[in-house]
Amino acid sequence: RKEVEQDPGPFNVPEGATVAFNCTYSNSASQSFFWYRQDCRKEPKLLMSVYSSGNEDGRFTAQLNRASQYISLLIRDSKLSDSATYLCVVARSSNTGKLIFGQGTTLQVKP
Amino acid sequence: ETGVTQTPRHLVMGMTNKKSLKCEQHLGHNAMYWYKQSAKKPLELMFVYNFKEQTENNSVPSRFSPECPNSSHLFLHLHTLQPEDSALYLCASSQTGTGANVLTFGAGSRLTVL
Repeated sequence: RKEVEQDPGPFNVPEGATVAFNCTYSNSASQSFFWYRQDCRKEPKLLMSVYSSGNEDGRFTAQLNRASQYISLLIRDSKLSDSATYLCVVARSSNTGKLIFGQGTTLQVKP
Repeated sequence: ETGVTQTPRHLVMGMTNKKSLKCEQHLGHNAMYWYKQSAKKPLELMFVYNFKEQTENNSVPSRFSPECPNSSHLFLHLHTLQPEDSALYLCASSQTGTGANVLTFGAGSRLTVL
């Protein structure tokens, strides 16, 4: 079983739609959680950290459910520029930089 | 130059060749990483260096040999690779301590082994 599991998609949505991605992780001792974004043929970039209380950054909302070992990302009012692969990332500790990546979920926003 | 720079961006090599990938960061970070990204697979951590000392080798075959001469530079020496080693090799850097999990990646070196 993969340590971080994501539905690879692709998710095809029209502009303006709301879309949600989910991710599950298997190691209950995991300490830190993130969403990274990777554009086609580019490097991954940090999108946002994920906190137990949930956090929001503009149109993006991330949630963490430690009991269910589940992370989500909600994108409201999708833009064409949101088309990318979204990587769910888990760290086993809070300060080692040893990140475990999910396979990624591909989003394609259509006009 | 700013951020994390990787060279070469593309590399084609035969199985008997020896080549090296180079990574340089201009962010003042003290941790550097090599990750491998194969098609349809998640990024896999290969090596971690903190203050130029190796702190993680994620069971990487010895045909991959990392070198970290200082906190700003990281190399990956390649020899007698296999076709299945063809992948995108990503270098990253971060602060140490509480900032360690926020990685800045380079654009990657796309390797093809014939």
